[in-house]
Amino acid sequence: KAGVTQTPRYLIKTRGQQVTLSCSPISGHRSVSWYQQTPGQGLQFLFEYFSETQRNKGNFPGRFSGRQFSNSRSEMNVSTLELGDSALYLCASSLGGTGSTDTQYFGPGTRLTVL
Amino acid sequence: GNSVTQMEGPVTLSEEAFLTINCTYTATGYPSLFWYVQYPGEGLQLLLKATKADDKGSNKGFEATYRKETTSFHLEKGSVQVSDSAVYFCALSSKTNAGGTSYGKLTFGQGTILTVHP
Repeated sequence: KAGVTQTPRYLIKTRGQQVTLSCSPISGHRSVSWYQQTPGQGLQFLFEYFSETQRNKGNFPGRFSGRQFSNSRSEMNVSTLELGDSALYLCASSLGGTGSTDTQYFGPGTRLTVL
Repeated sequence: GNSVTQMEGPVTLSEEAFLTINCTYTATGYPSLFWYVQYPGEGLQLLLKATKADDKGSNKGFEATYRKETTSFHLEKGSVQVSDSAVYFCALSSKTNAGGTSYGKLTFGQGTILTVHP
């Protein structure tokens, strides 16, 4: 079974631009979660989607948004990029159950550099 | 809220040495606990997990036991290899509460860098 895929793997943007990142989950997984990883803040939860609905959101400004399609693929968008948005963006997929045992599997990440 | 604390790193060991990376957590209810590993330039790979107290997760020679009384989930390996050099993250997930604030959310520790020398 194929793993979680993310595209593109690397992106370079300038301040003020916007960017869209894509994530394809493992077949049969209906939940996609997004995380931001930086050296200073570590791994921080952005949001989670299940069946095209955002179920949970972390403490990020409204410039960060996402969506999920009927095939469970997800995209996240960052508008008006700032230098501090430079990070590795990871998505993870899972079956999406409400119990704590639901296990997340991660993609390779998209490395975003904002100049 | 939930939190995970890992031992300070980095950790440097010689090949075949014994490894322990400490992890303690704070959470309400009965969370599940995970160890993920990240190799340079890659995403996170699930190493092992435990879903209830006294469960032992194991994989590739790594082990961790869910200790509710000490709120700990320490990672151990009896004999490390150079190929184990990576960053290790302890994480927890909570059962979704009525407010839905736990949906799809893993809480991570800060990560521990492990370097193994030949």
